[in-house]
Amino acid sequence: AQSVSQHNHHVILSEAASLELGCNYSYGGTVNLFWYVQYPGQHLQLLLKYFSGDPLVKGIKGFEAEFIKSKFSFNLRKPSVQWSDTAEYFCAVNTNAGKSTFGDGTTLTVKP
Amino acid sequence: DGGITQSPKYLFRKEGQNVTLSCEQNLNHDAMYWYRQDPGQGLRLIYYSQIVNDFQKGDIAEGYSVSREKKESFPLTVTSAQKNPTAFYLCASRGGRDLGYGYTFGSGTRLTVV
Repeated sequence: AQSVSQHNHHVILSEAASLELGCNYSYGGTVNLFWYVQYPGQHLQLLLKYFSGDPLVKGIKGFEAEFIKSKFSFNLRKPSVQWSDTAEYFCAVNTNAGKSTFGDGTTLTVKP
Repeated sequence: DGGITQSPKYLFRKEGQNVTLSCEQNLNHDAMYWYRQDPGQGLRLIYYSQIVNDFQKGDIAEGYSVSREKKESFPLTVTSAQKNPTAFYLCASRGGRDLGYGYTFGSGTRLTVV
């Protein structure tokens, strides 16, 4: 069965600091990879996705993620975080069966 | 606007009662999913349906039931057999290739057993 591991449960940063959230998955076949974000009081929404092609994908609000197949990783990055990036972030993997498996989530708190 | 509507937003259930959570989508998506979100445990799959009149159990289906009589609707029933039903329930549908098969989520239903 596939699984997703997010290494950081809670990350606290100051504004303008750089962000990297780790995500590793276990599945030997073809995968689609996602990061979702849940801002306080809002519903989960898609931040970015990897489907095929360029392993460096860009999403909304300046976020990007890099798919490294050899490391089974899909880490999320942002060069300079803002207070408004405070949210919970979920990594997910979707296989050919169509089901997505989610990590436990990382809560990001950005101090102004 | 296309999206997913979940209702009610908050639901209180007495011990021994069955309750049904509503999920409606107007995105014309074939696949729909129910997840349960608990603090520190991420999202766990309860049931999913890839087409009308067909559904499969997810990882934590015990104590839950679903139906998929219409493409737009995928209601979830939390039965009295569910031992720990207090949780936040999320419904989602899966987009096509243009969305990289990503999910669109509803705003959720918070169920509390009193």
